Amino acid sequence: SQTIHQWPATLVQPVGSPLSLECTVEGTSNPNLYWYRQAAGRGLQLLFYSVGIGQISSEVPQNLSASRPQDRQFILSSKKLLLSDSGFYLCAWTRNSGETQYFGPGTRLLVL
Amino acid sequence: AQSVTQLDSQVPVFEEAPVELRCNYSSSVSVYLFWYVQYPNQGLQLLLKYLSGSTLVKGINGFEAEFNKSQTSFHLRKPSVHISDTAEYFCAVSHQAGTALIFGKGTTLSVSS
Repeated sequence: SQTIHQWPATLVQPVGSPLSLECTVEGTSNPNLYWYRQAAGRGLQLLFYSVGIGQISSEVPQNLSASRPQDRQFILSSKKLLLSDSGFYLCAWTRNSGETQYFGPGTRLLVL
Repeated sequence: AQSVTQLDSQVPVFEEAPVELRCNYSSSVSVYLFWYVQYPNQGLQLLLKYLSGSTLVKGINGFEAEFNKSQTSFHLRKPSVHISDTAEYFCAVSHQAGTALIFGKGTTLSVSS
């Protein structure tokens, strides 16, 4: 069966510090991968998605970036965090031609 | 462009009462529809989905939803809720396999005794 992992689970970072969140999927190959951000009362916002290694599409211009160094690894990064980057970050995957997204447990980020 | 509207931000109900969480979508093409549940500080868990075929779909935990193309709706229902159903519920839509989902803003279901 397939599983999706995210770490860390919780992170508290000062404004201006760098960020690296990791997401990995097990039990499947060549998945589509997604990063979402969930801010309080605002639902889920798609940040990035990837259909393959090194292929990243950005949905929202911001100070975040994403990378996919391996087939089942998706990384969300920032060089300098802003207060507005606080939120709950969710990674998800689908089969390459699949309709259903499966979500990881999330990372709660608090920027102070 | 696609969009999803969840008409109620909060729905308080008593235990064992029926509940309906409303979802409307806008799209000019055929869609896939989903309901997810999120318990506090957890990721999203798939409740049910409509891809094609029967318009009444059944999911986990006793939930069901009905796809109504003419009303562009996909309302979620449960005939008798439990305290453990307290969570946030998200409706989502996509128009093509492998593409990102468009989510509604969520409905908080609060079940009390």
